[in-house]
Amino acid sequence: DGGITQSPKYLFRKEGQNVTLSCEQNLNHDAMYWYRQDPGQGLRLIYYSQIVNDFQKGDIAEGYSVSREKKESFPLTVTSAQKNPTAFYLCASSGRGSTEAFFGQGTRLTVV
Amino acid sequence: QQQVKQSPQSLIVQKGGISIINCAYENTAFDYFPWYQQFPGKGPALLIAIRPDVSEKKEGRFTISFNKSAKQFSLHIMDSQPGDSATYFCAASNKAAGNKLTFGGGTRVLVKP
Repeated sequence: DGGITQSPKYLFRKEGQNVTLSCEQNLNHDAMYWYRQDPGQGLRLIYYSQIVNDFQKGDIAEGYSVSREKKESFPLTVTSAQKNPTAFYLCASSGRGSTEAFFGQGTRLTVV
Repeated sequence: QQQVKQSPQSLIVQKGGISIINCAYENTAFDYFPWYQQFPGKGPALLIAIRPDVSEKKEGRFTISFNKSAKQFSLHIMDSQPGDSATYFCAASNKAAGNKLTFGGGTRVLVKP
C-alpha cells in the first residue's frame, strides 16, 4: 500500500522533554510537510522540505526541529522550548510540481 | 496574519439539504484552491479543487464556486448525507512559492438524518 505513515498515533510527553514524531512515505514524493492542528483552528505549517537535505521554516517553527536525510523520511522533534505542544500533528507529502498534498493519519501529542 | 478566512465555523443541515461553506483570501498570487475533508482522528483528504481560470467546478454532489474579483470561493454540498458529516477545510497555494498550502480555519458540518 502506498501512503504516508505517521507513528505513534498517540504520544504522551512530560514537560521539559524532547519528543520525535515519525513520518515515512513510500509515494516517491519530493516535498514533505508538517502541520499542527488545534481544536477549532485550521492547519498551520511548521516546517517543509522540497528536497533531501533541505528544509524551510513555516509559520510556527519556534520550538520545533526537523531533518530530511532520506527522501522517504521527515521526522519532527518537538523540543522543550515549544511552550504549548499539546496538539494533533499531521505530516503530508506531494510530488514534484504537484499541488495535491497527501496526509498521514496524524499523531496526537499530549504533554502531561 | 490569516491569509485564508473560512466561515461558518460550524453548520448543521438536514439530510437532503445544501451545505454552503465560504472562504476569502488576501494573496492574489494564490493559483490553486482545494477543499479538504477530514473525519475525526484522521488526516485530511483532498475533496475537490479549482484554479482561478474557471468560475465553477462540479464533482458529483460537490461544487466549488470561484469569484476572482471578490477573492472568494465556496463549497456547496448538494443533497447532504449523514456520511458527509466531517470538518471541511479550504486552502490556497501558489506555485511560485513552492505549492505550500495555506488553510482556512475549518468548518464542522453535521448532517442530521
